Amino acid sequence: DAGITQSPRHKVTETGTPVTLRCHQTENHRYMYWYRQDPGHGLRLIHYSYGVKDTDKGEVSDGYSVSRSKTEDFLLTLESATSSQTSVYFCAIRRGGGTGELFFGEGSRLTVL
Amino acid sequence: DQQVKQNSPSLSVQEGRISILNCDYTNSMFDYFLWYKKYPAEGPTFLISISSIKDKNEDGRFTVFLNKSAKHLSLHIVPSQPGDSAVYFCAARGGNQFYFGTGTSLTVIP
Repeated sequence: DAGITQSPRHKVTETGTPVTLRCHQTENHRYMYWYRQDPGHGLRLIHYSYGVKDTDKGEVSDGYSVSRSKTEDFLLTLESATSSQTSVYFCAIRRGGGTGELFFGEGSRLTVL
Repeated sequence: DQQVKQNSPSLSVQEGRISILNCDYTNSMFDYFLWYKKYPAEGPTFLISISSIKDKNEDGRFTVFLNKSAKHLSLHIVPSQPGDSAVYFCAARGGNQFYFGTGTSLTVIP
């Protein structure tokens, strides 16, 4: 609907390995966000981007890095995955205008063994 | 520290009755409030929103009320339908960041 695709949708990896999740949008929006969803915590912001090469930290940024080299792609990297990073990760874009609500992708389920 | 709180993890309502979901926040600088609905294995979908300068916004069966003095908002669904069964998240915007509550799981019983 909002032109957001996340890949991979599911991934199982081992502790200590690097992982990169990709968010791709087709609508040329300036703002993109990465959240994680965990039971009892709701959705928590990891990082967000407000333009190419412009990013900022969210509430739970430790252990994560992001990059945005093109408007359409926002990458989330776990340099060395840990079991505490087992989660469902959601990317979102913020549509323009005064309301500017977020529209989410379908999520990427990551399991770190 | 959680800036947006949903203190009821779950709620059950009979079909046709009103569902009321509540949300509290701590930061008086939030300027915009939103409700999202989430089905299992899907991303959250935007439902309804309200600006901090208003106290009510209505869209069909969904109404959001904002009480700024109490730092409280609520979502009313009337009449509730079985398809409304989902997890509902409230969210608040502060600057460029959006803060979410922990969610309330609504079950509408046919």
